[in-house]
Amino acid sequence: RKEVEQDPGPFNVPEGATVAFNCTYSNSASQSFFWYRQDCRKEPKLLMSVYSSGNEDGRFTAQLNRASQYISLLIRDSKLSDSATYLCVVNLSNSGYALNFGKGTSLLVTP
Amino acid sequence: GAVVSQHPSWVICKSGTSVKIECRSLDFQATTMFWYRQFPKQSLMLMATSNEGSKATYEQGVEKDKFLINHASLTLSTLTVTSAHPEDSSFYICSALPRSSNLNTGELFFGEGSRLTVL
Repeated sequence: RKEVEQDPGPFNVPEGATVAFNCTYSNSASQSFFWYRQDCRKEPKLLMSVYSSGNEDGRFTAQLNRASQYISLLIRDSKLSDSATYLCVVNLSNSGYALNFGKGTSLLVTP
Repeated sequence: GAVVSQHPSWVICKSGTSVKIECRSLDFQATTMFWYRQFPKQSLMLMATSNEGSKATYEQGVEKDKFLINHASLTLSTLTVTSAHPEDSSFYICSALPRSSNLNTGELFFGEGSRLTVL
């Protein structure tokens, strides 16, 4: 079983729509969680960290459910520029291990 | 934000040759750098963790003699793909952890990536 699993999509949504991505992780000892964004043929960039209490950054809301080992990302009022691949990322340990990446969920926002 | 520069961005080489990829942290010191590989439509796979002044730690299944990593300074790590073959063609990405940071905050900065094509 893969450590971090995501629905690859693609998700095709019209501008202004709300879209949600889900992610599950297998290791219950995972400590920290992130969403990264990766544009085609580019490097990943941190979108936001995910906190247990849930957190919001503008149009983006991230949720974490430790009991279900589940992470979500909600994008409201989608923009064309939101088109990208969204990577769910999990860090196993607080001691500095590297990050485990999901395959990513592809989003295409259309006019 | 912090800047990580990777060079070259693109490289095409013949089978059997060696290719060196450089990863530099331009405005911060990085005691730890990570090397990832990404095949098309796949996730980033960690190849190795590079610590300044010590030997790299390789992930299971990654041949350390084939993928040579050197982290000689706090701002530079290099990955050398030795005797490259077509199956080594991939997108190689480095990332650097600022000396003053840790992974809990997600402050991992990525280079632009190097696309390797082996003919």
